[in-house]
Amino acid sequence: GEDVEQSLFLSVREGDSSVINCTYTDSSSTYLYWYKQEPGAGLQLLTYIFSNMDMKQDQRLTVLLNKKDKHLSLRIADTQTGDSAIYFCAEYGNKLVFGAGTILRVKS
Amino acid sequence: DAGVTQSPTHLIKTRGQQVTLRCSPKSGHDTVSWYQQALGQGPQFIFQYYEEEERQRGNFPDRFSGHQFPNYSSELNVNALLLGDSALYLCASSPGQQDYGYTFGSGTRLTVV
Repeated sequence: GEDVEQSLFLSVREGDSSVINCTYTDSSSTYLYWYKQEPGAGLQLLTYIFSNMDMKQDQRLTVLLNKKDKHLSLRIADTQTGDSAIYFCAEYGNKLVFGAGTILRVKS
Repeated sequence: DAGVTQSPTHLIKTRGQQVTLRCSPKSGHDTVSWYQQALGQGPQFIFQYYEEEERQRGNFPDRFSGHQFPNYSSELNVNALLLGDSALYLCASSPGQQDYGYTFGSGTRLTVV
């Protein structure tokens, strides 16, 4: 079956790095995604990684994928107050399956 | 270029009523998927439309139905509304039934009283 789990809350200081973790269950997932949702808004695609990759870097974002452990992480370097939001991990087998989201709070 | 457009943005309905939500996909996209996001949860897949047919469906009752029009826009209909149907309903479009490139709309906030 498909299930995606994330920690619920992360608090960091402005300028520090944030690491949001996610575990998934569907080994047939072809893509794994990170979405950002700000209050009252829809979902913004931040980045995605193919299941045959281990790492992807995109400016301040680094995605690490451990296929053996079915573990995905998102690192945000130099975290800013504007990064405060809910971050969703999602896997795609034949549809997008989302985790419950991690609330990131950035303290100035 | 407009992204995914959803209407209305907010809606209040009474238990037992019916509701229709609308979605216009991003230009160039022909596949529309609908998601329900209850408060404090991640989005849950309802169904996906491609070539005017429902191609996949999540674990939602038959009270949830949809339609896709020749211009690729889509409607989500919910009959016999329950209090538990209160949620943010998100529409996502993609260029074909691909497994990347989903663009989400800002959603319709449905409150059932």
